[in-house]
Amino acid sequence: QVQLVESGGGVVQPGRSLRLSCAASGFTFSSYDIHWVRQTPGRGLEWVAVISNDGGSKFYADSVKGRFTISRDNSKNTLYLQMNSLRAEDTAVYYCAKDRDMLTPVFDYWGQGTLVTVSS
Amino acid sequence: DIQMTQSPSSLSASVGDRVTITCRASQSVNNHLNWYQQKPGKAPKLLIYASSSLQTGVPSRFSGSGSGTDYTLTISSLQPDDFATYYCQQSYSTLSLTFGGGTKVEIK
Repeated sequence: QVQLVESGGGVVQPGRSLRLSCAASGFTFSSYDIHWVRQTPGRGLEWVAVISNDGGSKFYADSVKGRFTISRDNSKNTLYLQMNSLRAEDTAVYYCAKDRDMLTPVFDYWGQGTLVTVSS
Repeated sequence: DIQMTQSPSSLSASVGDRVTITCRASQSVNNHLNWYQQKPGKAPKLLIYASSSLQTGVPSRFSGSGSGTDYTLTISSLQPDDFATYYCQQSYSTLSLTFGGGTKVEIK
């Protein structure tokens, strides 16, 4: 069965960095675009970034552009999110989510989420 | 960005009730509208995609409809497992995906 398992969350000071990972199994990882989506009680669900199946295309929300980098290693079935210059407003649960198909970004499987807390 | 507005933000209903949740987009999303269910402490679960297509494994009491800017999620007969928060998401603007603010369905 399809599984996405995030890791790497934790407490980090403002201005510091953190790298999240998302380990995938149960499907052909290299065939699907994968997204990061975050959630806070105040701002709800917010799309963060997407990477194409081959890693050749990457797009970001304006709120993280220039600070976050999405990447993937298809040989390891793993997605990453490098988060630099973290701010308090980046505090959220971060989910990885796969596209349902190659046509439009609909998220049919999500990980369980990993909590990132940015605080001094 | 396309703004997604859900109403109501919460509702109370009884088992067996018919429940309708509305999602309005700030511009047409051309049926690229999806619905998710989320329970506390869990990830969202896809229910409906492309406005009215039922995701595999989702009970048929869930249905979606709409066009242009206005969309509806209907639960025909609310079951105990359906008490949760529901979110709409537009996938029309593919590089700026946005979600509604959520509708919490509570037990009356």
